[in-house]
Amino acid sequence: NAGVTQTPKFQVLKTGQSMTLQCAQDMNHEYMSWYRQDPGMGLRLIHYSVGAGITDQGEVPNGYNVSRSTTEDFPLRLLSAAPSQTSVYFCASSYSAGLDYGYTFGSGTRLTVV
Amino acid sequence: AQSVTQPDIHITVSEGASLELRCNYSYGATPYLFWYVQSPGQGLQLLLKYFSGDTLVQGIKGFEAEFKRSQSSFNLRKPSVHWSDAAEYFCAVDNQGGKLIFGQGTELSVKP
Repeated sequence: NAGVTQTPKFQVLKTGQSMTLQCAQDMNHEYMSWYRQDPGMGLRLIHYSVGAGITDQGEVPNGYNVSRSTTEDFPLRLLSAAPSQTSVYFCASSYSAGLDYGYTFGSGTRLTVV
Repeated sequence: AQSVTQPDIHITVSEGASLELRCNYSYGATPYLFWYVQSPGQGLQLLLKYFSGDTLVQGIKGFEAEFKRSQSSFNLRKPSVHWSDAAEYFCAVDNQGGKLIFGQGTELSVKP
Protein backbone atom coordinates (compact mmCIF):
# COMPACT_ATOMS: atom_id res chain seq x y z
CA ASN A 1 0.00 0.00 0.00
CA ALA A 2 1.87 3.07 -1.26
CA GLY A 3 -0.38 5.75 0.32
CA VAL A 4 0.07 9.16 -1.30
CA THR A 5 2.79 9.43 -3.92
CA GLN A 6 4.13 12.79 -5.04
CA THR A 7 6.44 13.31 -7.97
CA PRO A 8 8.93 14.79 -8.50
CA LYS A 9 10.62 15.19 -5.11
CA PHE A 10 12.74 18.11 -6.29
CA GLN A 11 12.35 20.51 -9.21
CA VAL A 12 14.03 23.67 -10.41
CA LEU A 13 12.10 25.83 -12.86
CA LYS A 14 12.85 29.00 -14.69
CA THR A 15 10.46 31.91 -14.38
CA GLY A 16 7.65 31.51 -16.87
CA GLN A 17 7.97 27.78 -17.32
CA SER A 18 5.04 25.51 -16.68
CA MET A 19 4.95 22.18 -14.92
CA THR A 20 2.68 19.71 -13.23
CA LEU A 21 3.19 18.30 -9.78
CA GLN A 22 1.78 14.81 -9.63
CA CYS A 23 -0.16 13.34 -6.74
CA ALA A 24 -1.63 9.86 -6.65
CA GLN A 25 -3.28 7.86 -3.88
CA ASP A 26 -4.22 4.19 -3.81
CA MET A 27 -6.48 4.19 -0.76
CA ASN A 28 -9.73 5.12 -2.53
CA HIS A 29 -9.97 8.26 -0.43
CA GLU A 30 -12.73 10.62 -1.44
CA TYR A 31 -10.98 13.89 -0.60
CA MET A 32 -7.67 15.26 -1.83
CA SER A 33 -5.93 18.57 -1.23
CA TRP A 34 -2.78 20.54 -2.02
CA TYR A 35 -0.77 22.72 0.37
CA ARG A 36 2.30 24.87 0.15
CA GLN A 37 4.68 25.34 3.04
CA ASP A 38 6.71 28.49 3.49
CA PRO A 39 8.86 29.42 6.51
CA GLY A 40 6.85 31.13 9.23
CA MET A 41 3.54 30.63 7.44
CA GLY A 42 2.71 27.03 8.16
CA LEU A 43 0.96 25.09 5.45
CA ARG A 44 -1.59 26.90 3.34
CA LEU A 45 -4.33 25.28 1.34
CA ILE A 46 -4.08 25.81 -2.42
CA HIS A 47 -6.89 23.70 -3.89
CA TYR A 48 -8.93 20.76 -2.76
CA SER A 49 -11.33 18.18 -4.15
CA VAL A 50 -14.23 16.38 -2.54
CA GLY A 51 -14.52 13.82 -5.31
CA ALA A 52 -13.78 13.09 -8.95
CA GLY A 53 -14.82 16.00 -11.12
CA ILE A 54 -15.17 18.41 -8.19
CA THR A 55 -12.52 20.93 -7.18
CA ASP A 56 -12.50 24.17 -5.23
CA GLN A 57 -10.11 26.93 -4.28
CA GLY A 58 -8.33 27.16 -0.99
CA GLU A 59 -6.51 30.04 0.69
CA VAL A 60 -3.85 30.68 -1.96
CA PRO A 61 -5.12 29.45 -5.35
CA ASN A 62 -3.68 32.13 -7.64
CA GLY A 63 -1.18 30.80 -10.16
CA TYR A 64 -2.28 27.18 -9.75
CA ASN A 65 -4.77 24.95 -11.54
CA VAL A 66 -6.08 21.53 -10.58
CA SER A 67 -8.33 18.86 -11.99
CA ARG A 68 -9.65 15.58 -10.63
CA SER A 69 -10.59 13.25 -13.44
CA THR A 70 -10.15 10.11 -11.32
CA THR A 71 -10.39 9.31 -7.64
CA GLU A 72 -6.71 8.40 -7.57
CA ASP A 73 -5.04 11.43 -9.15
CA PHE A 74 -4.99 15.11 -8.28
CA PRO A 75 -2.30 16.98 -10.27
CA LEU A 76 -1.34 20.56 -9.51
CA ARG A 77 -0.39 22.72 -12.49
CA LEU A 78 1.75 25.82 -12.49
CA LEU A 79 0.97 27.60 -15.73
CA SER A 80 3.72 30.25 -15.58
CA ALA A 81 6.06 29.77 -12.66
CA ALA A 82 7.10 32.76 -10.57
CA PRO A 83 9.80 33.04 -7.89
CA SER A 84 7.01 33.54 -5.34
CA GLN A 85 5.99 29.95 -6.00
CA THR A 86 9.25 28.65 -4.60
CA SER A 87 8.03 26.44 -1.81
CA VAL A 88 7.53 22.92 -0.55
CA TYR A 89 4.31 21.40 -1.80
CA PHE A 90 2.37 18.69 -0.02
CA CYS A 91 -0.51 16.66 -1.34
CA ALA A 92 -2.92 14.88 0.99
CA SER A 93 -5.84 12.53 0.75
CA SER A 94 -8.45 12.11 3.44
CA TYR A 95 -11.28 9.83 4.39
CA SER A 96 -14.33 9.81 6.55
CA ALA A 97 -15.47 6.42 7.84
CA GLY A 98 -18.06 6.43 10.58
CA LEU A 99 -16.42 7.95 13.63
CA ASP A 100 -12.97 7.85 12.07
CA TYR A 101 -11.48 10.61 9.99
CA GLY A 102 -7.94 11.09 8.85
CA TYR A 103 -5.40 12.44 6.42
CA THR A 104 -2.47 10.87 4.63
CA PHE A 105 0.22 13.19 3.35
CA GLY A 106 2.71 12.71 0.57
CA SER A 107 6.39 13.26 1.21
CA GLY A 108 6.42 16.62 -0.55
CA THR A 109 7.89 18.30 -3.62
CA ARG A 110 10.54 20.96 -3.12
CA LEU A 111 10.18 23.50 -5.93
CA THR A 112 12.60 26.29 -6.70
CA VAL A 113 11.76 28.93 -9.32
CA VAL A 114 14.72 30.98 -10.50
CA ALA B 1 -13.05 33.86 8.42
CA GLN B 2 -12.02 30.46 9.66
CA SER B 3 -8.58 30.53 11.22
CA VAL B 4 -6.15 28.67 13.42
CA THR B 5 -3.74 30.53 15.68
CA GLN B 6 -0.61 29.24 17.32
CA PRO B 7 0.48 32.21 19.41
CA ASP B 8 4.02 31.00 20.08
CA ILE B 9 6.36 31.05 17.10
CA HIS B 10 9.30 29.61 19.01
CA ILE B 11 9.53 27.92 22.40
CA THR B 12 12.64 26.70 24.20
CA VAL B 13 12.37 24.23 27.07
CA SER B 14 14.91 22.27 29.03
CA GLU B 15 15.10 18.53 28.60
CA GLY B 16 12.89 16.87 31.17
CA ALA B 17 10.68 19.93 31.59
CA SER B 18 7.00 19.95 30.75
CA LEU B 19 5.67 21.42 27.54
CA GLU B 20 2.46 23.08 26.45
CA LEU B 21 1.89 24.34 22.92
CA ARG B 22 -1.14 26.51 22.40
CA CYS B 23 -3.68 26.35 19.60
CA ASN B 24 -6.85 28.38 19.17
CA TYR B 25 -9.30 28.10 16.32
CA SER B 26 -12.14 30.16 14.96
CA TYR B 27 -14.95 28.05 13.58
CA GLY B 28 -18.70 28.00 13.96
CA ALA B 29 -18.90 24.44 15.20
CA THR B 30 -16.50 21.94 16.68
CA PRO B 31 -14.22 20.92 13.85
CA TYR B 32 -11.93 17.94 13.60
CA LEU B 33 -8.67 18.89 15.33
CA PHE B 34 -5.17 17.63 14.64
CA TRP B 35 -1.61 18.08 15.83
CA TYR B 36 1.29 17.28 13.50
CA VAL B 37 5.04 17.31 14.01
CA GLN B 38 7.67 17.97 11.37
CA SER B 39 11.41 17.52 11.68
CA PRO B 40 13.65 19.61 9.41
CA GLY B 41 13.43 18.50 5.81
CA GLN B 42 10.87 15.86 6.63
CA GLY B 43 7.18 15.33 6.08
CA LEU B 44 4.30 15.62 8.52
CA GLN B 45 3.69 13.07 11.23
CA LEU B 46 0.34 12.89 13.00
CA LEU B 47 0.64 13.14 16.78
CA LEU B 48 -3.05 12.95 17.66
CA LYS B 49 -6.52 13.94 16.57
CA TYR B 50 -9.87 14.80 18.13
CA PHE B 51 -13.35 14.40 16.76
CA SER B 52 -15.67 13.94 19.70
CA GLY B 53 -15.99 12.26 23.07
CA ASP B 54 -13.37 12.47 25.79
CA THR B 55 -11.79 15.91 25.55
CA LEU B 56 -8.36 14.64 26.62
CA VAL B 57 -6.73 12.83 23.73
CA GLN B 58 -3.64 10.66 23.95
CA GLY B 59 -1.22 10.53 21.06
CA ILE B 60 2.11 9.07 20.09
CA LYS B 61 5.48 9.84 21.68
CA GLY B 62 3.86 10.65 25.04
CA PHE B 63 1.90 13.67 23.79
CA GLU B 64 -1.63 14.54 24.80
CA ALA B 65 -4.02 17.36 23.93
CA GLU B 66 -7.07 18.78 25.60
CA PHE B 67 -10.04 20.19 23.72
CA LYS B 68 -11.79 23.06 25.48
CA ARG B 69 -14.91 24.10 23.65
CA SER B 70 -15.47 27.23 25.76
CA GLN B 71 -12.02 28.53 24.86
CA SER B 72 -11.91 27.19 21.29
CA SER B 73 -8.57 25.70 22.17
CA PHE B 74 -6.74 22.44 21.56
CA ASN B 75 -3.45 22.70 23.43
CA LEU B 76 -0.74 20.07 23.13
CA ARG B 77 1.13 18.88 26.22
CA LYS B 78 3.95 16.58 27.20
CA PRO B 79 5.00 16.01 30.82
CA SER B 80 8.71 15.53 30.13
CA VAL B 81 10.40 16.70 26.95
CA HIS B 82 13.20 14.73 25.30
CA TRP B 83 15.88 16.20 23.07
CA SER B 84 14.39 14.27 20.16
CA ASP B 85 11.16 16.29 20.48
CA ALA B 86 12.87 19.32 18.96
CA ALA B 87 10.88 19.99 15.78
CA GLU B 88 8.11 22.17 14.42
CA TYR B 89 4.57 21.52 15.58
CA PHE B 90 1.43 22.35 13.66
CA CYS B 91 -2.14 22.53 14.82
CA ALA B 92 -4.75 22.02 12.10
CA VAL B 93 -8.52 21.92 11.81
CA ASP B 94 -10.96 20.42 9.36
CA ASN B 95 -14.54 21.61 9.31
CA GLN B 96 -15.61 18.31 7.69
CA GLY B 97 -14.81 19.55 4.24
CA GLY B 98 -11.86 17.37 3.28
CA LYS B 99 -9.39 20.19 3.74
CA LEU B 100 -7.13 21.31 6.55
CA ILE B 101 -6.44 24.80 7.79
CA PHE B 102 -3.11 24.99 9.61
CA GLY B 103 -1.71 27.28 12.22
CA GLN B 104 1.58 29.02 11.54
CA GLY B 105 3.51 26.46 13.54
CA THR B 106 5.54 26.49 16.73
CA GLU B 107 9.22 25.66 16.60
CA LEU B 108 10.38 23.78 19.67
CA SER B 109 13.99 23.86 20.82
CA VAL B 110 15.19 21.64 23.66
CA LYS B 111 18.08 22.68 25.91
CA PRO B 112 20.27 19.91 27.33
